Amino acid sequence: GAGVSQSPSNKVTEKGKDVELRCDPISGHTALYWYRQSLGQGLEFLIYFQGNSAPDKSGLPSDRFSAERTGGSVSTLTIQRTQQEDSAVYLCASSLQGTLQETQYFGPGTRLLVL
Amino acid sequence: LAKTTQPISMDSYEGQEVNITCSHNNIATNDYITWYQQFPSQGPRFIIQGYKTKVTNEVASLFIPADRKSSTLSLPRVSLSDTAVYYCLVGDSGGSYIPTFGRGTSLIVHP
Repeated sequence: GAGVSQSPSNKVTEKGKDVELRCDPISGHTALYWYRQSLGQGLEFLIYFQGNSAPDKSGLPSDRFSAERTGGSVSTLTIQRTQQEDSAVYLCASSLQGTLQETQYFGPGTRLLVL
Repeated sequence: LAKTTQPISMDSYEGQEVNITCSHNNIATNDYITWYQQFPSQGPRFIIQGYKTKVTNEVASLFIPADRKSSTLSLPRVSLSDTAVYYCLVGDSGGSYIPTFGRGTSLIVHP
């Protein structure tokens, strides 16, 4: 079956512009995660959605970052007024129920470059 | 959530066995240990998971001592294609759901 997909695969933007990154999780997966990976660094947790519960936004680095998940499926990560330090790979993952025992299935990521 | 410590990098040669150890001194009773592999320009993918003793699949083996304060991922006879970053993740089935991947171990396999 189809895995997690993300779009766009690459995004170049100018400082100060807003960007939207999209994630399509595996059908039937109730949990969805967003991560950020800067060059040579590990994965930094950003936000977590589980079913209809309120999302856990504890990892968002600033109020310029926001995310939503419509209909329990597709998710959009929005970065407003982008800064050069926002340049990174943004990864999305989904899992069946959202426990750490479960396998997380990752998308290919969106490579964001802020000039 | 149990914190994990791994070596930042390792080097090996084709055909050798590679062992990557992860320390998780404050692992909780219900925590499982999961390893992920990440190739350049790709998202991480699941390799293996275990709770205690030894687990083996077609890709790797996972050794967990009785005290569970560490675990060792073993890759038999590595090839160039095993060059990747390997992450150790510890978490339980009903508690914290916020994963901490850390920087992982960058394995480079040389010809």
